[in-house]
Amino acid sequence: EAGVAQSPRYKIIEKRQSVAFWCNPISGHATLYWYQQILGQGPKLLIQFQNNGVVDDSQLPKDRFSAERLKGVDSTLKIQPAKLEDSAVYLCASSFRAPGGTPETQYFGPGTRLLVL
Amino acid sequence: KNQVEQSPQSLIILEGKNCTLQCNYTVSPFSNLRWYKQDTGRGPVSLTIMTFSENTKSNGRYTATLDADTKQSSLHITASQLSDSASYICVTRNPGPGGSQGNLIFGKGTKLSVKP
Repeated sequence: EAGVAQSPRYKIIEKRQSVAFWCNPISGHATLYWYQQILGQGPKLLIQFQNNGVVDDSQLPKDRFSAERLKGVDSTLKIQPAKLEDSAVYLCASSFRAPGGTPETQYFGPGTRLLVL
Repeated sequence: KNQVEQSPQSLIILEGKNCTLQCNYTVSPFSNLRWYKQDTGRGPVSLTIMTFSENTKSNGRYTATLDADTKQSSLHITASQLSDSASYICVTRNPGPGGSQGNLIFGKGTKLSVKP
């Protein structure tokens, strides 16, 4: 089974520039998450999609960050304009709801490492 | 505020030795607790998940314990290998509205280095 795919793996940009990340979740996984992981910290949820609808974007800095999952499969996360403090790893994860109330497991992609200069 | 605190922040052990990582959480009501392993440059990978009715769960050389009364969990690694070098992250889940499942709460992780 193919895992969660993300691209690019690395990106270096200057502050005030724009950048976009792409995620392809595991086939059949309805739920998709974008996380920001700053060095030395645990991942912080930015946005959660259920199919093509947003479930939670309460921690997404909406003045500069946007995300979409138009067809309920692939997703893109955009930062415009980027700030120095946006330097982090951006992780995409996907999950499916197993029957019988079994806790769902999130499967993470390798992440995109962003450096803003 | 629901939190997850992990200790130690970092740990260096020799290959073949055992080690135990600690996690304290404050989330209530409790849903489940997970341990993830994150290799450098990779995304986290689930090791174990425990619900409130479980107090121990093993996955190969990894054994997680849970004490729901004291809100503590530990991850014990037996006979460590060089490939165990990674960050180990403890994760619980916020209670969602209306009894639903909320978001995951991640600890900062313990960075383990296994030396030959």
